[in-house]
Amino acid sequence: SAVISQKPSRDICQRGTSLTIQCQVDSQVTMMFWYRQQPGQSLTLIATANQGSEATYESGFVIDKFPISRPNLTFSTLTVSNMSPEDSSIYLCSAGQATGNTGELFFGEGSRLTVL
Amino acid sequence: GENVEQHPSTLSVQEGDSAVIKCTYSDSASNYFPWYKQELGKGPQLIIDIRSNVGEKKDQRIAVTLNKTAKHFSLHITETQPEDSAVYFCAANAGKSTFGDGTTLTVKP
Repeated sequence: SAVISQKPSRDICQRGTSLTIQCQVDSQVTMMFWYRQQPGQSLTLIATANQGSEATYESGFVIDKFPISRPNLTFSTLTVSNMSPEDSSIYLCSAGQATGNTGELFFGEGSRLTVL
Repeated sequence: GENVEQHPSTLSVQEGDSAVIKCTYSDSASNYFPWYKQELGKGPQLIIDIRSNVGEKKDQRIAVTLNKTAKHFSLHITETQPEDSAVYFCAANAGKSTFGDGTTLTVKP
């Protein structure tokens, strides 16, 4: 299993600013992902965080808006850039051991962002 | 890409009754089907999963069934308890996870 710590747990941000969310896993994991969850909605995959290389983004998400770093097997960051109220959401970090995302995912408790 | 539909969106049962949540998927390449439980203010947590080479799996009060031909899978919770109240998500994996829209289960004491 893996325990995932995310910070901040919540924040209120001003339009046009950027915020970086940190994700720390208590053990080395193969895969790390970032999801977005609107309140009361499902989870949407933003990108796969690749160790030492550029993240793999899903359709509708771009690196300029959501730059991601993963310097090692236990840590990743997601930045939400030039925020607008539409970016208000819960951002979830997840991790798994299986390649191809075919195994159990462990989730952090999420970072709830409100953009004014 | 994969499309996962989940029903019902809300489900209310009396304590002790059974609850069933159903999901359908579109991509025949999907081979891993997890179910997650999300409590208020927390991240989703895996409660049971099934792979495409298995038709049914049970873990105490929770069971999952898979029909690959029809491309649907279901979560069954028996003898429900108030602490089962949460949002449940199904997912289908064909290289990456696609989640259903979630079911809010309320168990009334």
